[in-house]
Amino acid sequence: AQKITQTQPGMFVQEKEAVTLDCTYDTSDQSYGLFWYKQPSSGEMIFLIYQGSYDEQNATEGRYSLNFQKARKSANLVISASQLGDSAMYFCALTGGGSQGNLIFGKGTKLSVKP
Amino acid sequence: DAGITQSPRHKVTETGTPVTLRCHQTENHRYMYWYRQDPGHGLRLIHYSYGVKDTDKGEVSDGYSVSRSKTEDFLLTLESATSSQTSVYFCATRLALTGELFFGEGSRLTVL
Repeated sequence: AQKITQTQPGMFVQEKEAVTLDCTYDTSDQSYGLFWYKQPSSGEMIFLIYQGSYDEQNATEGRYSLNFQKARKSANLVISASQLGDSAMYFCALTGGGSQGNLIFGKGTKLSVKP
Repeated sequence: DAGITQSPRHKVTETGTPVTLRCHQTENHRYMYWYRQDPGHGLRLIHYSYGVKDTDKGEVSDGYSVSRSKTEDFLLTLESATSSQTSVYFCATRLALTGELFFGEGSRLTVL
């Protein structure tokens, strides 16, 4: 069965510093996708970045990059130059397998950026 | 962004009453999903739909039913609401190419 684990319930980072949010996963599928979503205090779910299992390079989107280590089954999110607006919940997600097409979500990490 | 709207956005109801949440999309996406979000649990799949009148259960489907009579609308019904169904409910649609989910704004339901 698919499983996503985020072991950091909460993290603090100083403004302008980089931060890594951890995510490990378990799947028996050969082809799968990994996603990160941001949920600010306003509640909406915002897509940040996607990594396909066959992608040879780590995904990047602006200040976000995904450190994908397939053999270790980890997909950590790196945020460079943290901003106050980065304070939010962050969810890692894995394609659910089968024909459902859903995503399996981790429990999330609450990131707080300190000025 | 996919146009997904949920209604109502906020609802307070009493135990035992029926509740229906509506999700409307304008992107013609085939797949639609209902998730619930609870502290410490992340998002959990309730039901999903892979086409008009085609629906199936997710991880936490007990006490919920769904219907999809049109591509653009996906309804979630709580036949007899219980306090354990107090939650934030998210509707989502899926981009076929990457599997990315687009989410609605969420509906906060409180069952007293």
